[in-house]
Amino acid sequence: EAQVTQNPRYLITVTGKKLTVTCSQNMNHEYMSWYRQDPGLGLRQIYYSMNVEVTDKGDVPEGYKVSRKEKRNFPLILESPSPNQTSLYFCASSLRISSYNEQFFGPGTRLTVL
Amino acid sequence: KNQVEQSPQSLIILEGKNCTLQCNYTVSPFSNLRWYKQDTGRGPVSLTIMTFSENTKSNGRYTATLDADTKQSSLHITASQLSDSASYICVVSEGSNDYKLSFGAGTTVTVRA
Repeated sequence: EAQVTQNPRYLITVTGKKLTVTCSQNMNHEYMSWYRQDPGLGLRQIYYSMNVEVTDKGDVPEGYKVSRKEKRNFPLILESPSPNQTSLYFCASSLRISSYNEQFFGPGTRLTVL
Repeated sequence: KNQVEQSPQSLIILEGKNCTLQCNYTVSPFSNLRWYKQDTGRGPVSLTIMTFSENTKSNGRYTATLDADTKQSSLHITASQLSDSASYICVVSEGSNDYKLSFGAGTTVTVRA
């Protein structure tokens, strides 16, 4: 089944404890992206990747890192999480970003930083 | 400042009725506009994608319209069903960078029996 998977789905952690949220897609997509969703603000892009070893900042990259060592995986790293990073995170992928490439979203990771 | 504004923020409709959601954007230059449906606790799912040259697109009971001159789009839901209860998100991409997406905050639709 074609899908985007994220792990973990739920995570409660404490300030400063490094964590990684994994994202994997099995559709051989070139483009992958991370978003955070907060009430009343809509989805905001954190980082995106056009292909392997090609990443760039989105609108809210502060406090996050990513890597794209292989096509299927795009982990999101929080080196020193803070409470303002408490949010719902989505990973997404598409074949390429163009007018007719649908973007597929993962199920989301709900992160709470105490 | 959010370049994509959606209205209303939320609405409640009775099963079987129609409703229309609005999306106004200021993104320029414009490449394409997408509508997504997001069920509670799940990731968004694409409903329609329209380029600037298209002014209507349908997906079952969902019909999206686009007026690139006035920078407005609408999503019309026909004969609503309980399963239509969700958040509907308008997303606009820039003309020069298709990967630069601007998301609206969404309209929450509740369909009641």
